[in-house]
Amino acid sequence: QQQVKQSPQSLIVQKGGISIINCAYENTAFDYFPWYQQFPGKGPALLIAIRPDVSEKKEGRFTISFNKSAKQFSLHIMDSQPGDSATYFCAAEGTGGTSYGKLTFGQGTILTVHP
Amino acid sequence: KAGVTQTPRYLIKTRGQQVTLSCSPISGHRSVSWYQQTPGQGLQFLFEYFSETQRNKGNFPGRFSGRQFSNSRSEMNVSTLELGDSALYLCASSRAGGLREQYFGPGTRLTVT
Repeated sequence: QQQVKQSPQSLIVQKGGISIINCAYENTAFDYFPWYQQFPGKGPALLIAIRPDVSEKKEGRFTISFNKSAKQFSLHIMDSQPGDSATYFCAAEGTGGTSYGKLTFGQGTILTVHP
Repeated sequence: KAGVTQTPRYLIKTRGQQVTLSCSPISGHRSVSWYQQTPGQGLQFLFEYFSETQRNKGNFPGRFSGRQFSNSRSEMNVSTLELGDSALYLCASSRAGGLREQYFGPGTRLTVT
């Protein structure tokens, strides 16, 4: 029940296109959903995060869509650029108790944006 | 503001040895979490510390331990190293107190031979 399932494992997009990465979770106690971007040799960098009380959050070219009833959320990268080529991770965190500071991560999506 | 720093960045150890990794959180952040990243298992939560107390622990053997100091700096220790402990060890800090954003350091790459 702690899993977060992420798809696709890899994604190839042309420059200017839209990249879409999907995640699904099972634990209804999760109430915080961040996305991270990781470049080779670096730690994950926080991109954008959402809580279940909103269905969408946009920051620049990055948008999270959240469907609470389906227990799914997705990251949309608009106008994808070669510099966006990286591994993207979705994650989820619950509240209090055994959830303190514990992010449960998806398996990651390797995004390649061709010029 | 300086980010999360981790030392050392790279480490090579032999099976059976022990290792200590260090993490300095962002100034003002009081919570530190540790993660292990491997190609096979992905990112897995090790433990979380707040105000020098371990509040949460992941499913790792007792060989993995940690602590936090009064200045919020944290260390993790792995004893009796096994080949399978080879991984990137990441620490992340957050303000706590309802602010959930975790910011990661660059990690320590541990290779066990």
